[in-house]
Amino acid sequence: AQSVAQPEDQVNVAEGNPLTVKCTYSVSGNPYLFWYVQYPNRGLQFLLKYITGDNLVKGSYGFEAEFNKSQTSFHLKKPSALVSDSALYFCASGFQKLVFGTGTRLLVSP
Amino acid sequence: NAGVTQTPKFRILKIGQSMTLQCTQDMNHNYMYWYRQDPGMGLKLIYYSVGAGITDKGEVPNGYNVSRSTTEDFPLRLELAAPSQTSVYFCASSYGPGVSGANVLTFGAGSRLTVL
Repeated sequence: AQSVAQPEDQVNVAEGNPLTVKCTYSVSGNPYLFWYVQYPNRGLQFLLKYITGDNLVKGSYGFEAEFNKSQTSFHLKKPSALVSDSALYFCASGFQKLVFGTGTRLLVSP
Repeated sequence: NAGVTQTPKFRILKIGQSMTLQCTQDMNHNYMYWYRQDPGMGLKLIYYSVGAGITDKGEVPNGYNVSRSTTEDFPLRLELAAPSQTSVYFCASSYGPGVSGANVLTFGAGSRLTVL
C-alpha cells in the first residue's frame, strides 16, 4: 500500500520569499514521487518527479523538490515566490496508478 | 495537438439518470485514468486502463463503468446517478511507467457534474 500526506491545507507566503509545500510518503519499495499543480478551473499539470538519483530534483517554473529518505518526505520548494505561483499543489506517488495527497493551497501575496 | 479532451465540461443530472463522460487523447498513450476530485479530499482513482480492451478498478469504482475499445477513447459511464457522485471528474493519460517508473500523467480540463 502507498499513500502520501500533505499536512497543510494552505500555505501563505509573501512575493519574493522562499516557499515550501510539505509532503510525506508511505511507500513499500521504491518511491516514485511527483508534484502537480492545479490552477483554477484547470486540470493538473506535472511539475517534477523523483525516481532515483539526486535528492534535489528540479522541475518546471523554477520549482524544485527535496527527497529525504530518512524523514520520508518530498517537500516542494522555490527560492523566490511569485504571485502567479498561487494555485493548488498536489503530491503524488505510484508506479502504474498514482495516489494523490489532499492538496495544499498556496497563496502568494504581493 | 489537443492532448486530453473531456466532454461535457458541465452537466446537471437528476437522481437516477445515467450519462457518459467522454475522454479522448491524441498522444497515443497506452494508459488512461479516471479520477474524481472532491474538496479537501484530493483526487481518487475510479478506473484505469493499461491498453485497449483492458480496464481495472481503482479506489472508488462503485456506481461507475468504463470501456476501452480504442487506444484514444476511455468513456466513463454513470448509471443511476446519486448526489454522492456530484464531483469534478478528470481524465488523464500517460505512456505508462516504463522501465524508469516515471509515469507522468497528462490531465484533461475536467468535467463538473452535479446530481440533484
